[in-house]
Amino acid sequence: NAGVTQTPKFQVLKTGQSMTLQCAQDMNHEYMSWYRQDPGMGLRLIHYSVGAGITDQGEVPNGYNVSRSTTEDFPLRLLSAAPSQTSVYFCASSTREIYGYTFGSGTRLTVV
Amino acid sequence: EDQVTQSPEALRLQEGESSSLNCSYTVSGLRGLFWYRQDPGKGPEFLFTLYSAGEEKEKERLKATLTKKESFLHITAPKPEDSATYLCAVRIKAAGNKLTFGGGTRVLVKP
Repeated sequence: NAGVTQTPKFQVLKTGQSMTLQCAQDMNHEYMSWYRQDPGMGLRLIHYSVGAGITDQGEVPNGYNVSRSTTEDFPLRLLSAAPSQTSVYFCASSTREIYGYTFGSGTRLTVV
Repeated sequence: EDQVTQSPEALRLQEGESSSLNCSYTVSGLRGLFWYRQDPGKGPEFLFTLYSAGEEKEKERLKATLTKKESFLHITAPKPEDSATYLCAVRIKAAGNKLTFGGGTRVLVKP
């Protein structure tokens, strides 16, 4: 049982490049979310999904896109990377019945 | 505006020195309050969920309590391995399944 798997663990991008952060869970969780964590800012919600085909914006959605074609996968796309998107990104999932979110180990992204 | 505030920002303890972390919240329609532990370079690890005022949960040296305005995480006789950042988060009825996090408390337990 792998839980929530995020890839890659580390990434360096140049300004203007695009990339996709991958997130997969094997717990059949309906709810999935993407957070970014910055020093002094805590964890902030980027996008979330309550099931396949359903996504919505969180607190800081600008510059990011998501889609949820399957229950297992919830990729986060950076359209045109900016230095302000340098951060640690966490994916998390939960069920309706067990409300504690399970987090992945994170992707550390640096945009230069 | 819904807010979650944790205090103190940092806490240095001697091994065995008990203390409490605070999480105060001003939200409408609390659906659950969550405590997480985060070690450096790792994702948050779920500790407790509290749903109603007066509720308490315990796990080893940790005990979480909830009132209508705040939650406390009590660390009894801490050990160096309890060193971590402790995060508080709330789920609000009007916000669906989203979690709103506080800024965290960094705890360092010295032997």
